[in-house]
Amino acid sequence: DIVLTQSPATLSVTPGESVSLSCRASQGISTSIHWYQQKSNESPRLLIKYASQSISGIPSRFSGSGSGTDFTLSINRVESEDFSVYYCQQSYSLPLTFGSGTKLEIK
Amino acid sequence: EVQLQESGPGLVKPSQSLSLTCSVTGYSITSNYWGWIRKFPGNKMEWMGYISYSGSTSYNPSLKSRISITRDTSKNQFFLQLNSVTTEDTATYYCARSPRGYGWFAYWGQGTLVTVSS
Repeated sequence: DIVLTQSPATLSVTPGESVSLSCRASQGISTSIHWYQQKSNESPRLLIKYASQSISGIPSRFSGSGSGTDFTLSINRVESEDFSVYYCQQSYSLPLTFGSGTKLEIK
Repeated sequence: EVQLQESGPGLVKPSQSLSLTCSVTGYSITSNYWGWIRKFPGNKMEWMGYISYSGSTSYNPSLKSRISITRDTSKNQFFLQLNSVTTEDTATYYCARSPRGYGWFAYWGQGTLVTVSS
């Protein structure tokens, strides 16, 4: 199975700051990585597909980059509604796997 | 717009079977791929498996001996059965749609918490 390691586990920031969340794959997966946001008591929401492709309806402050084993989700100027948990997921091979998540919290 | 809704018992006894239904509206399950994903206490997420537009299935090998995903196209529903559950199967279970077997999930149900306890 492909293991996805997300870092940091928790990121404390002030609204208005820009942040980068990391996802590292245990083997090369091209750009087969997708990012989700999950708020408490809600379903995950797809933010980015295939490492950098934007999703309709998602604010432009969310962007993704990377290929191979190292991937980044960037949030430009974090807003209060962005404080939640973020997951990466790979679709390079079955079984599909998820990272352990990064919690973005208010400093 | 496609909507998914999970339903089923919220409490299951150890060694019994867990059975959930995902009811889909706004899109036919004879297109795309329809999966089950669970989130454990502590945030770990696990893909359990899917059923395709044709009815073929793929399961996570970690569950292969215990899991079955089936469907009823006349009701536009698909189902999860997980046998011989233990307390470690306590989780929030989600159904979701993917455009391909090796894909992402753009549409999710609201999730249903299943607790395994005697």
